[in-house]
Amino acid sequence: AQTVTQSQPEMSVQEAETVTLSCTYDTSENNYYLFWYKQPPSRQMILVIRQEAYKQQNATENRFSVNFQKAAKSFSLKISDSQLGDTAMYFCAFGEEYGNKLVFGAGTILRVKS
Amino acid sequence: DTGVSQNPRHKITKRGQNVTFRCDPISEHNRLYWYRQTLGQGPEFLTYFQNEAQLEKSRLLSDRFSAERPKGSFSTLEIQRTEQGDSAMYLCASSITGAHTDTQYFGPGTRLTVL
Repeated sequence: AQTVTQSQPEMSVQEAETVTLSCTYDTSENNYYLFWYKQPPSRQMILVIRQEAYKQQNATENRFSVNFQKAAKSFSLKISDSQLGDTAMYFCAFGEEYGNKLVFGAGTILRVKS
Repeated sequence: DTGVSQNPRHKITKRGQNVTFRCDPISEHNRLYWYRQTLGQGPEFLTYFQNEAQLEKSRLLSDRFSAERPKGSFSTLEIQRTEQGDSAMYLCASSITGAHTDTQYFGPGTRLTVL
């Protein structure tokens, strides 16, 4: 069974600075998908970014980018130019190729300070 | 595209009562998922449907839990004889089947409190 580990329960960053959230996972599959979701306080979960394991190029979405290291089974999220609205719980999730359920990590609370 | 909606948003019930939650997926999304999220944790998979067929159930889904998606559109999740341990956020997500795994879009959740 796949597992996802987020080793940073909480992090904080100053507005406009850069922060990196860590995620490692365990799988025996070769093709799969990785996701970062954001869950603001009392609001619904929103997809931040998605990475296909068969793609070597790291995914980017505006201020959000990932560092995908397949051999190390590592999938970190970098947030550049942090904004107050980035304050949220961030979840890393694993999805099998042609699979169905997502396996989530325990989450990292990110606080952006002004 | 109005997004995934869930009703009710909050439910408080007494132990032993039955509760039912509803999820309306994004239009034309053929897959629908239920997850449970306890405070400070990531969501855990419960079950999923492709159209009206329930294709997978987690062992977390005890026999007190039942889910349906009768016409392949909205879904209901019923919990019978609720227990205090059932208190959690119940999340619904939907996706559309593509060439590879689908991206799941989540609803706002139903927060259940069992007294």
